[in-house]
Amino acid sequence: GESVGLHLPTLSVQEGDNSIINCAYSNSASDYFIWYKQESGKGPQFIIDIRSNMDKRQGQRVTVLLNKTVKHLSLQIAATQPGDSAVYFCAENLVASGTYKYIFGTGTRLKVLA
Amino acid sequence: NAGVTQTPKFQVLKTGQSMTLQCAQDMNHEYMSWYRQDPGMGLRLIHYSVGAGITDQGEVPNGYNVSRSTTEDFPLRLLSAAPSQTSVYFCASSYRVTDGYTFGSGTRLTVV
Repeated sequence: GESVGLHLPTLSVQEGDNSIINCAYSNSASDYFIWYKQESGKGPQFIIDIRSNMDKRQGQRVTVLLNKTVKHLSLQIAATQPGDSAVYFCAENLVASGTYKYIFGTGTRLKVLA
Repeated sequence: NAGVTQTPKFQVLKTGQSMTLQCAQDMNHEYMSWYRQDPGMGLRLIHYSVGAGITDQGEVPNGYNVSRSTTEDFPLRLLSAAPSQTSVYFCASSYRVTDGYTFGSGTRLTVV
């Protein structure tokens, strides 16, 4: 699974600090967005989603912010833990069109330093 | 409840060979997709299905075929393998369009 992570931007964060992972999405018409976490050798795992009629959504230790003006998503992880080390992807879709074509970003590797 | 099951986990093919990557889900999900994942390129959509008997192309469909004869199964066929198809392949499913995917654990394919 490590070969998947080659050439990815990397964010290194001290354990206990907050992490902010950014994503620029491609389609200004996209109306639904998801963040996924992928650990080494595993498939991506759903973290949190947000619709375009919202600009913020909170989950357990995670917050997603959406800025439609500049087509930007961010994922904030509070009190980052070693288990948060993974590659994080954003995905977008235009659900209102009835399509099922989720487009993924290239990903960011999060490294949590002890 | 096994979720999304992909087989095989690893496969080595020679150029020109054909094979089928299997994907099965037991969650009664209507929506299923195949992605390939290459270093530095994220996940790219190959084909998807919105229900039994209905499939459509994604971003990178060339060289791949799919069919959806049942709700549970969504196999991906490589017609004539090429080194450019060396990748990790993920199958994913969801109950609704606005649900997040449940992903399988992937098939690592090497074409030599």
